[in-house]
Amino acid sequence: GDSVTQMEGPVTLSEEAFLTINCTYTATGYPSLFWYVQYPGEGLQLLLKATKADDKGSNKGFEATYRKETTSFHLEKGSVQVSDSAVYFCALNRDDKIIFGKGTRLHILP
Amino acid sequence: GAVVSQHPSRVICKSGTSVKIECRSLDFQATTMFWYRQFPKQSLMLMATSNEGSKATYEQGVEKDKFLINHASLTLSTLTVTSAHPEDSSFYICSASGQGIQPQHFGDGTRLSIL
Repeated sequence: GDSVTQMEGPVTLSEEAFLTINCTYTATGYPSLFWYVQYPGEGLQLLLKATKADDKGSNKGFEATYRKETTSFHLEKGSVQVSDSAVYFCALNRDDKIIFGKGTRLHILP
Repeated sequence: GAVVSQHPSRVICKSGTSVKIECRSLDFQATTMFWYRQFPKQSLMLMATSNEGSKATYEQGVEKDKFLINHASLTLSTLTVTSAHPEDSSFYICSASGQGIQPQHFGDGTRLSIL
């Protein structure tokens, strides 16, 4: 069945460092791909999405490109801030259901 | 736009109590609502999918008699945890989708603590 695999955390970086969180997926066809962010004690917020191969989703300085050839959707940000500390979930959409990765906890140190 | 409101945000109650959690779509018609459960430091696990006016579809391993879901209108779905026990303590999150509202939009979650 469809699945999402993302790098295990926690990931700890200093402020202004470059961020990459790896995500790969297994699915038939071409699902839509998403990154969600969950701040402590809160629900999920959609961070960005891509609906077809080679699409690049971007928001708040984060970006991810839908790579069909490598079945990947890695999240990147050039310069992280303390306020980016949260849990990030990679996900795909299949028949209106969302399948989530296990989440990656990100800590940004000032 | 596309706001999903979940209430209450936190509930603490005694073992054996039934607890109702509401999920409302505030500015769109939610033809489908989803209920998830999240254990500490883990991912979201889909519990059930409900379509307005019909019975919910539960994922494998989820007790339908334990977790009662009602989706009586296009803006409201409820999850009732019946006779809750400490092992039911968790973070429950709803989401909703509808015409032109894709992907699902999530509520802020309900932290349920059973003493």
